[in-house]
Amino acid sequence: GENVEQHPSTLSVQEGDSAVIKCTYSDSASNYFPWYKQELGKRPQLIIDIRSNVGEKKDQRIAVTLNKTAKHFSLHITETQPEDSAVYFCAASLSGGGADGLTFGKGTHLIIQP
Amino acid sequence: NAGVTQTPKFRILKIGQSMTLQCTQDMNHNYMYWYRQDPGMGLKLIYYSVGAGITDKGEVPNGYNVSRSTTEDFPLRLELAAPSQTSVYFCASSYSLEPTGRGTDTQYFGPGTRLTVL
Repeated sequence: GENVEQHPSTLSVQEGDSAVIKCTYSDSASNYFPWYKQELGKRPQLIIDIRSNVGEKKDQRIAVTLNKTAKHFSLHITETQPEDSAVYFCAASLSGGGADGLTFGKGTHLIIQP
Repeated sequence: NAGVTQTPKFRILKIGQSMTLQCTQDMNHNYMYWYRQDPGMGLKLIYYSVGAGITDKGEVPNGYNVSRSTTEDFPLRLELAAPSQTSVYFCASSYSLEPTGRGTDTQYFGPGTRLTVL
């Protein structure tokens, strides 16, 4: 089955700086890669996703890049703000939007220092 | 739209007890999922369903059962609770445009059920 590795496990950045979280996947057939944000005690919420026919996608301060050859994808957050503090999870799926479920990384705890 | 709802929010079980975690969605989504999240970890897929009457195992199905008699409901059953099943359980749903699942939309998660087995 699919295996998703995520790094780093904890990331501390100064407010206003950029943050980058990286994930690798094992199954070259995976074609859908969402990123979820989870605040303490809350449900995961989708912040951005990318499909394998696209190399980069951007939504305001958040961007995701995908390198299919290397089987890795990254989340980029620019101009970080205190409300960006949370745990971020990457995931991968073999079937478009995850029809057979998502395989998640172990998460990155992003800490925004004031 | 309430989205995806789950009951109960919290539950403590004794070893060997049984319970059903309820999940309901009102978005007319055809796909539904159950995940578990252990402390400090990502989510792992337990079971999923692509439509009423159809279910399939995920990565960690042992100790659980599911059924999908309606589009809206996808209950998760624990028959003989064990301490290893202490976790937070999330239900999710999504909508697929095609039988193959391609073009499936975002997975929306419920608020979770925190289960402790003692």
